[in-house]
Amino acid sequence: GAGVSQSPRYKVAKRGQDVALRCDPISGHVSLFWYQQALGQGPEFLTYFQNEAQLDKSGLPSDRFFAERPEGSVSTLKIQRTQQEDSAVYLCASSPGGGPYGYTFGSGTRLTVV
Amino acid sequence: GQQLNQSPQSMFIQEGEDVSMNCTSSSIFNTWLWYKQDPGEGPVLLIALYKAGELTSNGRLTAQFGITRKDSFLNISASIPSDVGIYFCAGTNAGNNRKLIWGLGTSLAVNP
Repeated sequence: GAGVSQSPRYKVAKRGQDVALRCDPISGHVSLFWYQQALGQGPEFLTYFQNEAQLDKSGLPSDRFFAERPEGSVSTLKIQRTQQEDSAVYLCASSPGGGPYGYTFGSGTRLTVV
Repeated sequence: GQQLNQSPQSMFIQEGEDVSMNCTSSSIFNTWLWYKQDPGEGPVLLIALYKAGELTSNGRLTAQFGITRKDSFLNISASIPSDVGIYFCAGTNAGNNRKLIWGLGTSLAVNP
């Protein structure tokens, strides 16, 4: 597509509920990144895919966070047993190559855990 | 996680004024990037810097990659109301050239 598409745009989850956030990258982009942006903060790296391979998941805050990109295109970020501290905007970005150059960000999913 | 030191935190200026903001790091960075984020949107890249000392312009925006590789600045000349938003610096260091490390942002308000 023309840009990076994320869905849903907004999600309200009750504490303890599981959520799944979707990212459709720009067609043909090799690299896909997930970032978490808390209110009033800069984004923080969560994980990175090159095609279907998850090459870096060092930023995932706990084992409740899981990301996949099974066919090297669409990616899903799953959060199990959500907690209030998970409330944030989750940003997805894709780029044509292997580095951060040429990143294009989606508009994000705002997750609110109540 | 690690974040860059970005200042000022916020600015309120008159239309037509010039603006300057900067970012510093305690470690050497290989890349410096400047982004603008509007409410409800993802960050949009303004300027990318790849070499120490590099000075790059994009319209009214000018940014420089510091000689020490530990800092960068962004200048906006002759500000206009649509410059309103949050400006972020970001970069990559030698440890991981894929992962962007971000500042906390500079919130810019422009009084017409």
